[in-house]
Amino acid sequence: SQTIHQWPATLVQPVGSPLSLECTVEGTSNPNLYWYRQAAGRGLQLLFYSVGIGQISSEVPQNLSASRPQDRQFILSSKKLLLSDSGFYLCAWGPPGQIYGYTFGSGTRLTVV
Amino acid sequence: QQPVQSPQAVILREGEDAVINCSSSKALYSVHWYRQKHGEAPVFLMILLKGGEQKGHDKISASFNEKKQQSSLYLTASQLSYSGTYFCGTAINFGNEKLTFGTGTRLTIIP
Repeated sequence: SQTIHQWPATLVQPVGSPLSLECTVEGTSNPNLYWYRQAAGRGLQLLFYSVGIGQISSEVPQNLSASRPQDRQFILSSKKLLLSDSGFYLCAWGPPGQIYGYTFGSGTRLTVV
Repeated sequence: QQPVQSPQAVILREGEDAVINCSSSKALYSVHWYRQKHGEAPVFLMILLKGGEQKGHDKISASFNEKKQQSSLYLTASQLSYSGTYFCGTAINFGNEKLTFGTGTRLTIIP
C-alpha cells in the first residue's frame, strides 16, 4: 500500500532563517506531488506541484521554492523565512489524471517568530 | 479561481441531515470532497467526474451538475464523527494536474 511521510511535525524558526521540509511517498511510482499551505482557520492554498523529477510548477510567487530530486521525494525550501510564512504545510500525492483522490501527509506546523 | 462553498458553517444535532454546496466559475472536469478534523490533514471522501454522476457510500453522498458547475455533498443522519471542515477541490480539465480547493464548510455535530 502507498504511504506518505512528511517531517518535521512542528517547527519554530526565527525570521530570516532557512527552511527545508521533506516529503516522501512509498508504494507507488511517478506520483503527482503537491505542497499546500493552510493559514489558521483558512482553506488550502496550492504552492507548488510536480508531475515528474525536476518538474516544478509554482502557483504563488513568494520566497519559497520546491524541488523534486527523486521520483518520490518533494522538498519545500526557503532561504529566509518571513513572519507571513507561518502556517500548516501539507504535502500530498495523487496518481496522474485527477480522477483519483489525493493522500495528504500529516503536515508540518511552522511558526516563524 | 477558488470555488465557493456554502454554507461557511453549520451546526446540527446528531441525526439531522446536511447539504454542502460547491460552486465554480469555470467548467469542471472533476470534483473532489475532503474532510479535515481540527489539527489533522484532510482525508479524501469521494470524487465525481464530468458527466453529472452521483456517488455515495454509507450515509455520505455527492452529486455533480456539470452544466451548473456545481457539486453538492449530502450527509444523512449525521453522526458525531462527521464533525470537521469539508473542502471541495476542483480540476478544470484532464491533464491539468492540480486541484483548487474551496473556501471550506465547518460542520459541527452536537449530541
